[in-house]
Amino acid sequence: DVKVTQSSRYLVKRTGEKVFLECVQDMDHENMFWYRQDPGLGLRLIYFSYDVKMKEKGDIPEGYSVSREKKERFSLILESASTNQTSMYLCASSLVGSSDDEQFFGPGTRLTVL
Amino acid sequence: GDSVTQMEGPVTLSEEAFLTINCTYTATGYPSLFWYVQYPGEGLQLLLKATKADDKGSNKGFEATYRKETTSFHLEKGSVQVSDSAVYFCALEAWGGYNKLIFGAGTRLAVHP
Repeated sequence: DVKVTQSSRYLVKRTGEKVFLECVQDMDHENMFWYRQDPGLGLRLIYFSYDVKMKEKGDIPEGYSVSREKKERFSLILESASTNQTSMYLCASSLVGSSDDEQFFGPGTRLTVL
Repeated sequence: GDSVTQMEGPVTLSEEAFLTINCTYTATGYPSLFWYVQYPGEGLQLLLKATKADDKGSNKGFEATYRKETTSFHLEKGSVQVSDSAVYFCALEAWGGYNKLIFGAGTRLAVHP
């Protein structure tokens, strides 16, 4: 089974802190994604990566950056956390060229910025 | 741009009731359509999908038919169970490749005995 793991289930940070959210997948997937999930807004794409060291902005990249140094790991970075970044963050991965087109999700990290 | 609109929740049903969750979309071309489900405390998982017009996706008693003429992909189940309580997301594959998905806002379903 594909497994996507996220480094923390719950995280509390203070305004202005630098925050790292880590995601690891174990199925050699090329594509990886970071979303934030907010009530009434569904999932919104922050960034995605289609290969090592490659990244593309999603719909709401402002205030975030990403890093993909290894194929299995995709990190989301909040350079200076703000209260409006309090949210649930979900990581996902998918296989390039798969007829299934399925994205596999991690369990999420609930981040609170005080 | 591409978008997905779902009926607002929460939807509250008794066990064995019929379920419909409406989903309509706006998109360039003819994207693949998906329903994902999120059980409490978990990430999303694919429930079903359809890749072209008139396709019917089905899984675990749930069904949805890709209707090009009405740009819809409504989720149905004939008899819900308490274990179906979850948040359901409709999604489409965005234009431009890379398997990017655009999600609806999600619909929370609560089934009581």
